[in-house]
Amino acid sequence: AQSVTQLDSQVPVFEEAPVELRCNYSSSVSVYLFWYVQYPNQGLQLLLKYLSGSTLVESINGFEAEFNKSQTSFHLRKPSVHISDTAEYFCAAFNFGNEKLTFGTGTRLTIIP
Amino acid sequence: NAGVTQTPKFRVLKTGQSMTLLCAQDMNHEYMYWYRQDPGMGLRLIHYSVGEGTTAKGEVPDGYNVSRLKKQNFLLGLESAAPSQTSVYFCASSYQGYNEQFFGPGTRLTVL
Repeated sequence: AQSVTQLDSQVPVFEEAPVELRCNYSSSVSVYLFWYVQYPNQGLQLLLKYLSGSTLVESINGFEAEFNKSQTSFHLRKPSVHISDTAEYFCAAFNFGNEKLTFGTGTRLTIIP
Repeated sequence: NAGVTQTPKFRVLKTGQSMTLLCAQDMNHEYMYWYRQDPGMGLRLIHYSVGEGTTAKGEVPDGYNVSRLKKQNFLLGLESAAPSQTSVYFCASSYQGYNEQFFGPGTRLTVL
């Protein structure tokens, strides 16, 4: 069965410091990978996605994620965070074998001024 | 475009009461989903639909029913609410199963 693991449930980071949110998936077949962001009291919205091609994907607000097939990882990074990045971040994987999208349990990013 | 809308935004029920949550999307998406979000558990899929007139069970379907009579609407019903159904419910839609899902703002349900 497919699973998506986000090892860190909470990550506190000082403003303007770099951050990495970790995501690992397990799948024996091809996957599409996604990062969603949930701002307080809102629904989820797509941050970035990996479908194929370049393993490094970027979002419009400075986040990037790298697909690493050998390590089955899709970690999210940002070189310098802002207060406005405070949110919960969910990694998700779509498995083409069973055509299911599986979400991780989320990582709450807190920015310390 | 309104995207995905959900009604109501908040609701408090007593154990045993019933209610229906309405989800509507104006993007002509084929796929629609209902999730529940609980602290520390991420999103869990309740039911989903791959097109008008179709429904299928997700990860946690017990105690819920759904209907998709029109392509743009996806209804989630609780026939006899239980405290374990206290949660935040999200509806989402996508063009195909592997495409980006668009989420509604959520419904916060409390069952006393």
